[in-house]
Amino acid sequence: GDSVTQMEGPVTLSEEAFLTINCTYTATGYPSLFWYVQYPGEGLQLLLKATKADDKGSNKGFEATYRKETTSFHLEKGSVQVSDSAVYFCAPTDTGNQFYFGTGTSLTVIP
Amino acid sequence: DSGVTQTPKHLITATGQRVTLRCSPRSGDLSVYWYQQSLDQGLQFLIHYYNGEERAKGNILERFSAQQFPDLHSELNLSSLELGDSALYFCASSMPTSGGNEQFFGPGTRLTVL
Repeated sequence: GDSVTQMEGPVTLSEEAFLTINCTYTATGYPSLFWYVQYPGEGLQLLLKATKADDKGSNKGFEATYRKETTSFHLEKGSVQVSDSAVYFCAPTDTGNQFYFGTGTSLTVIP
Repeated sequence: DSGVTQTPKHLITATGQRVTLRCSPRSGDLSVYWYQQSLDQGLQFLIHYYNGEERAKGNILERFSAQQFPDLHSELNLSSLELGDSALYFCASSMPTSGGNEQFFGPGTRLTVL
């Protein structure tokens, strides 16, 4: 079945630093790809998504590009803020909308 | 607010007991998914229901069961509880199951087994 490998955390950055969280996946066919974010004490919420190769998803300054040739969907942000401190999950989905979540990467941004 | 509700928010019980967690999906969503989140194992998919029928099973123990009712709410039943069952349990809902549809997560139920 589909699976995902996500960069292990925890990651600690200073405010305004550049963020990259790596995500690679294995899948049959052409999955849609998602990044979800979980803020402390809350459920997961969608951060961004891409549904086909070379699509770029973006939201709140975060971006990720669907790279079919490298089966990757790395999350980036040019300048992180303290409010970005959260756990980030990468997930491909299959045609049945089954999500395959990674282990999550915890990000802490310090002032 | 995702529109997905879960009750109770917190549950504390003893080993060997049985509990029921409840989830109401967003209006119009036919699919309900259950996940377990523990500190050491991340987010584990348990089971998926679509319009009352089981669609897929993940890492769900035989002691656990679920169902989706005609009004589309779902219940996750956990029995013969063990200390290791302590975790956050999330449900999520989505539109009919074609690929690429966002799952909307509830706030979770925190289960503590003592």
